[in-house]
Amino acid sequence: DTGVSQDPRHKITKRGQNVTFRCDPISEHNRLYWYRQTLGQGPEFLTYFQNEAQLEKSRLLSDRFSAERPKGSFSTLEIQRTEQGDSAMYLCASSPTWETQYFGPGTRLLVL
Amino acid sequence: GDSVTQMEGPVTLSEEAFLTINCTYTATGYPSLFWYVQYPGEGLQLLLKATKADDKGSNKGFEATYRKETTSFHLEKGSVQVSDSAVYFCALSDPQGGSEKLVFGKGTKLTVNP
Repeated sequence: DTGVSQDPRHKITKRGQNVTFRCDPISEHNRLYWYRQTLGQGPEFLTYFQNEAQLEKSRLLSDRFSAERPKGSFSTLEIQRTEQGDSAMYLCASSPTWETQYFGPGTRLLVL
Repeated sequence: GDSVTQMEGPVTLSEEAFLTINCTYTATGYPSLFWYVQYPGEGLQLLLKATKADDKGSNKGFEATYRKETTSFHLEKGSVQVSDSAVYFCALSDPQGGSEKLVFGKGTKLTVNP
């Protein structure tokens, strides 16, 4: 399978804990995006990388959130001091150009 | 900012019925428009897209026309199948306006009964 992969697929954590998610894009896609989707809503943009440079961050991305793409390949999204409001599906997408984004299966986070 | 408004669901149809899911947008620039589909238990998939006014995107019997005058991109299919049951999202991207992000509507859940 050469699609976008995300790990883990599910994460349950207690409030106040830190969590980290990983996204592996389609090989040679230089663009990588993170979105968050809550129940009954469409995905909301969090941040975007072109190669290793983080080019755009949403106001949704509070100081507790940090994303990296150190070598321009895989990316990590870390949430520090999780809150119940962070419970959501976290989606990663990659793209060779801006026109078509290919989405991974997502990581479902539940904060207790 | 840019936004997308789509028809509230859920929508329930019988097999072979005609489908329309309305989508309108607000954008400061000249966005590209997309329909994504999420089948049960699967990730988002691009269904079709249109990058300029009057373009028609089509795929798997679905089609949508970019109407700049009405700022709309309605999704249509002439004869739906049970396998079309999914959640459909309208989205826009406006890179010329300075951002490559996708802005999504809330999604419309479609159920097709045999």
